[in-house]
Parts: sequence; structure tokens; C-alpha cells
Amino acid sequence: KAGVTQTPRYLIKTRGQQVTLSCSPISGHRSVSWYQQTPGQGLQFLFEYFSETQRNKGNFPGRFSGRQFSNSRSEMNVSTLELGDSALYLCASSPVTGEETQYFGPGTRLLVL
Amino acid sequence: GQSLEQPSEVTAVEGAIVQINCTYQTSGFYGLSWYQQHDGGAPTFLSYNALDGLEETGRFSSFLSRSDSYGYLLLQELQMKDSASYFCAVRDLGGGSQGNLIFGKGTKLSVKP
Repeated sequence: KAGVTQTPRYLIKTRGQQVTLSCSPISGHRSVSWYQQTPGQGLQFLFEYFSETQRNKGNFPGRFSGRQFSNSRSEMNVSTLELGDSALYLCASSPVTGEETQYFGPGTRLLVL
Repeated sequence: GQSLEQPSEVTAVEGAIVQINCTYQTSGFYGLSWYQQHDGGAPTFLSYNALDGLEETGRFSSFLSRSDSYGYLLLQELQMKDSASYFCAVRDLGGGSQGNLIFGKGTKLSVKP
């Protein structure tokens, strides 16, 4: 079974731009969670989608948004990028919401200049 | 709020045993998870403890004491490939229907020859 895939793997943007990241979960998994990882703050939860509905949201500004499609693929969008948004963005999937075992993708490394 | 504390770095030699501790403060508690992340890689699930006691999976074991809000990951017969960051995680029950995973800042384990 193919693992979680994320595109693109690397991205360079400038302040003020917006960016869309994509995540394809493991086949059959309906829950997708997004995390931001930085050296200073570690792994921080952004949001979780299950069956096209946002189930939980972390403590991030409204510039961070996401959605999930009927095939469980998910996208996250960051508008009006700031330098501090430079990070590794990880998505993780699980069969259903609330599962303790999360399967992570390789991440998208975003650099904001 | 929710918080997890774990040492930032641990160094050990090949063949030795190392213990990575994690203390947590949560408003509710389901269980404690552990993830491993190699440099440049994605976090991978190692173990989950919902009940007190020791869970063993090969060279890795995980322990939980709910009364002490404390757990640890024990790695035996250390190998060079065990050099990685290790994260403990709990589910945030403070809000949302199922809660999202909260991760500790991670412990960077360096295994020396």
C-alpha cells in the first residue's frame, strides 16, 4: 500500500504571497491532519479533516486554512505569507478520526523570503 | 493547558540501553504515544500506552504511569540507526470532539560507536 504523499516537497515563496500544499493519504484512510514543524516550536497541530469536515483546529491564525475532498485528499493554504511561516509542513493520515497511530508523509519544506 | 516535557538531547553508545522520559500535564488523558523521526524524514509511530505498565516491541519498550503523569521510552541494544529524534504525544481533550495530538519538543538521541 502506498504511503502518504505530499506535494510539492520544497517550496520557496516571498512574504505576502500565498501557498497551497497537497496531501494524499494512504488508500482507505479518511482522516488527514496537518502539522507545522519548526526547530523552536516542534510539531504543532494545525487542523484535522475527516470525511470532508474539519474536526479540530489548532491555535493558528486564520491565514491558515484547509479542506478535504471526497477522495480524502487534502490541501492546506497559507495566505499572506510571513517569514515565520517557514517550516516543514507535515500531513498525517489515519483510517478514522481519533486514531493514536498517525501515518506521516515526508512533508513540504516551505521557505519564505 | 496541555504540556509535555522531555529532555532535549541524550547521548549513548552502541549496544547500550537508553531511557527517554516524558512528563505530561493534560486536562484529560487517553494515553501516551511515541514517534521516531530521523533527520530529514517523517515521524513514524513507535508505540502507544493507554494503561499503566510496560509495553515491549522488540528492542523498544514504553512505560506509562498514569498516577505520576509520566512515561518513558526504553531503547535496548542501541544501534547507530537509532540516532533520531523521539517525540512523546498525548491527545488534547480540552476541545474538539476527539481532540488532536499534542507533541513534546522531542529528544535528539545520538548513538556513538
